[in-house]
Amino acid sequence: GENVEQHPSTLSVQEGDSAVIKCTYSDSASNYFPWYKQELGKGPQLIIDIRSNVGEKKDQRIAVTLNKTAKHFSLHITETQPEDSAVYFCAASGSGGGADGLTFGKGTHLIIQP
Amino acid sequence: SAVISQKPSRDICQRGTSLTIQCQVDSQVTMMFWYRQQPGQSLTLIATANQGSEATYESGFVIDKFPISRPNLTFSTLTVSNMSPEDSSIYLCSVGRRTPQLADTQYFGPGTRLTVL
Repeated sequence: GENVEQHPSTLSVQEGDSAVIKCTYSDSASNYFPWYKQELGKGPQLIIDIRSNVGEKKDQRIAVTLNKTAKHFSLHITETQPEDSAVYFCAASGSGGGADGLTFGKGTHLIIQP
Repeated sequence: SAVISQKPSRDICQRGTSLTIQCQVDSQVTMMFWYRQQPGQSLTLIATANQGSEATYESGFVIDKFPISRPNLTFSTLTVSNMSPEDSSIYLCSVGRRTPQLADTQYFGPGTRLTVL
């Protein structure tokens, strides 16, 4: 089955700086790659996603890039703010079988230092 | 997006008992899933809840331990049976609308925080 690796596990950046989180996946048939933000005591919130026919997608301060050849995708957050502090998860799905359940990375705890 | 609610939001249970968690969506959805998130860990897919038929379980999860129902396109339940402290986790449902040939966006509920003593 699919395996998703995520790095780093913890990332501390100064407010206003950029943050980058990287993920790799194992199944070349995967075609959908979402990113979720989870705040303490809440369910994961979808922040951006990308499909395999697109190399990059941007939404205001957040962008995701996908390299299908290398089987890795990254989340970029620019001009970080205190409210960006949370745990971020990458995921992959669409490798067939019809279920399309998500396989998650282990998460990155992003800390924005004031 | 979809508005998803889960009941109960949290519970503390005794070992050997069972708990049924409900997931309700405000609109009809094609796909419903159940995930487990152990303390401080990532999310692991338990099963896909299929409307009108048996759920599809992932490796390591069995129907006797996690029976699932999905009577219609807006509601599903997950039961955690014969609980032990190792079942202490957050249980999350997610929903999606399958589009032809593509996986679709999944939205998560707020989760049910289960503690087993």
